[in-house]
Amino acid sequence: AQSVAQPEDQVNVAEGNPLTVKCTYSVSGNPYLFWYVQYPNRGLQFLLKYITGDNLVKGSYGFEAEFNKSQTSFHLKKPSALVSDSALYFCAVRDADTGFQKLVFGTGTRLLVSP
Amino acid sequence: EAQVTQNPRYLITVTGKKLTVTCSQNMNHEYMSWYRQDPGLGLRQIYYSMNVEVTDKGDVPEGYKVSRKEKRNFPLILESPSPNQTSLYFCASKEGFTPTDTQYFGPGTRLTVL
Repeated sequence: AQSVAQPEDQVNVAEGNPLTVKCTYSVSGNPYLFWYVQYPNRGLQFLLKYITGDNLVKGSYGFEAEFNKSQTSFHLKKPSALVSDSALYFCAVRDADTGFQKLVFGTGTRLLVSP
Repeated sequence: EAQVTQNPRYLITVTGKKLTVTCSQNMNHEYMSWYRQDPGLGLRQIYYSMNVEVTDKGDVPEGYKVSRKEKRNFPLILESPSPNQTSLYFCASKEGFTPTDTQYFGPGTRLTVL
């Protein structure tokens, strides 16, 4: 079965510093990976996805993610964090067992950006 | 504006009182699904639908029902809610059935069952 792991429950970073939110995956076949963000009292918003091709994927709000096949990782990054980036971040992978229909989510990582 | 809407956004109810959470999308998407979000567990799929009148169980379907009579609507029904169904619920939709289709989520419904 497909799965993703987000090893950190919380990441703390100062405003202006680079941030990384980690995600590792386990899949059979090609990985189709996604990042979503959940702001307080809001739904999940799509940030970016990896299909094939470039290992560095650019997404919304200045976020990017680096796909590393050998390390089975898909870490979310941003060069300079903003206080407004504070939110809950979810990594997800398409589930091959359901014909790639279902998204399998990680447990989430809370990002806190301090002023 | 393309969106997925859910109602109500917040609901407090008592054990055993039937309730329905509505979900509607205006993007003409084929695929719709329901997830619940619980702390430390991420999002887990409850039910999904690949077309009108076609629904199937996800990972945690017990205690829930769904229907898909129209393409745009996918209500979630709790016939006899119990406290362990207290959770944050999300409806989602996507255009087609390829692995690369992006799934779009509604704003969520926070349900408390007393």
